Amino acid sequence: AQRVTQPEKLLSVFKGAPVELKCNYSYSGSPELFWYVQYSRQRLQLLLRHISRESIKGFTADLNKGETSFHLKKPFAQEEDSAMYYCALSGRGGGSNYKLTFGKGTLLTVNP
Amino acid sequence: SQTIHQWPATLVQPVGSPLSLECTVEGTSNPNLYWYRQAAGRGLQLLFYSVGIGQISSEVPQNLSASRPQDRQFILSSKKLLLSDSGFYLCACGTGPNGVQYFGAGTRLSVL
Repeated sequence: AQRVTQPEKLLSVFKGAPVELKCNYSYSGSPELFWYVQYSRQRLQLLLRHISRESIKGFTADLNKGETSFHLKKPFAQEEDSAMYYCALSGRGGGSNYKLTFGKGTLLTVNP
Repeated sequence: SQTIHQWPATLVQPVGSPLSLECTVEGTSNPNLYWYRQAAGRGLQLLFYSVGIGQISSEVPQNLSASRPQDRQFILSSKKLLLSDSGFYLCACGTGPNGVQYFGAGTRLSVL
């Protein structure tokens, strides 16, 4: 079974500080991992996906298959980064291609 | 790009009344469609998904049902609402087996 764990419900940092949102997953095959973000009064939207190996809004995430982790990092947090962040997993192959499993989310607050 | 329309934005219904939430998609054809419930501290729970007209898969047995009468229309229904059906319901659209999904603005349902 697929499972995504985000151990921190709340994370508070000061502006300019580094931030890391943790995500661990459980999946028997080769997963695709994503980070979705929901800013206040906005729709849930894709932030980045591991297969793209890109940096979006200064955020990066590296898939560590040995530790089954996909932590989201940013070296210098900004106040506009305050939002709810969800880690998600999509299984490859068969029917699981179509489904995302989400973690419970981490609410990030960046204080001035 | 895809646009997901959901309505109504908010809904207050008495216990035992029926429910119909509608989701329509623009800008794509033959999408995968999803209904999620988002609850504080519990993340996004996948309720139903559909890979084509008339094809519905249920993830969680419950008081709700879903239908897909047209390619870009997805409906969430209930014959008799329960208090526990209260929550925030999100419709999402995916256009391929890569896990990227686009979300609607959601419907806040309060059952009293």
